Amino acid sequence: KAGVTQTPRYLIKTRGQQVTLSCSPISGHRSVSWYQQTPGQGLQFLFEYFSETQRNKGNFPGRFSGRQFSNSRSEMNVSTLELGDSALYLCASSSASGPYNEQFFGPGTRLTVL
Amino acid sequence: AQKITQTQPGMFVQEKEAVTLDCTYDTSDQSYGLFWYKQPSSGEMIFLIYQGSYDEQNATEGRYSLNFQKARKSANLVISASQLGDSAMYFCAMREVNSGYSTLTFGKGTMLLVSP
Repeated sequence: KAGVTQTPRYLIKTRGQQVTLSCSPISGHRSVSWYQQTPGQGLQFLFEYFSETQRNKGNFPGRFSGRQFSNSRSEMNVSTLELGDSALYLCASSSASGPYNEQFFGPGTRLTVL
Repeated sequence: AQKITQTQPGMFVQEKEAVTLDCTYDTSDQSYGLFWYKQPSSGEMIFLIYQGSYDEQNATEGRYSLNFQKARKSANLVISASQLGDSAMYFCAMREVNSGYSTLTFGKGTMLLVSP
């Protein structure tokens, strides 16, 4: 069974640009969560989608948005990039939405904002 | 207040020795799940072990075991017979039932270095 895939793996953008990251969950998984990892703040939850609906959102500005498609693939978008958005963005999938389901992570997309 | 506290920024251990990575948590929920993940330098988060708050037995997965002490709110990871490939960041994480969602709250992590 293929794992969680994320594209692209690496991205370099400049301030003010926007970026779209993609995540394909494990086949059959309907829940996709996104996390941002930085050296200073550690791992922080961005949002969770389940069956195309955003179920939970972390404490991030509105420049961060996401969506989920009917095939469970998810995208997250960051508009008007800032230097502080440089981070590893991790996507995780689980078979259902809820506290007892383990999450499987993808390899991440490393975003650098210049 | 920190929900997940990992007090050891770094740990050193020799190959074949056992090592314990500490994790304490803070929650008012009765139902919650505790997870440990390993993150090698490549960046991918690898799931290691899970402990539910109502599980009476400590979880074990191969060389990994979770020393769960509910009254102390601690969930320490024990790695037996360390291997060079165990060198990585280790994160403790918690999911609370009351949130109703899949959100994980992570600690700051512990960097483990295994020497020959």
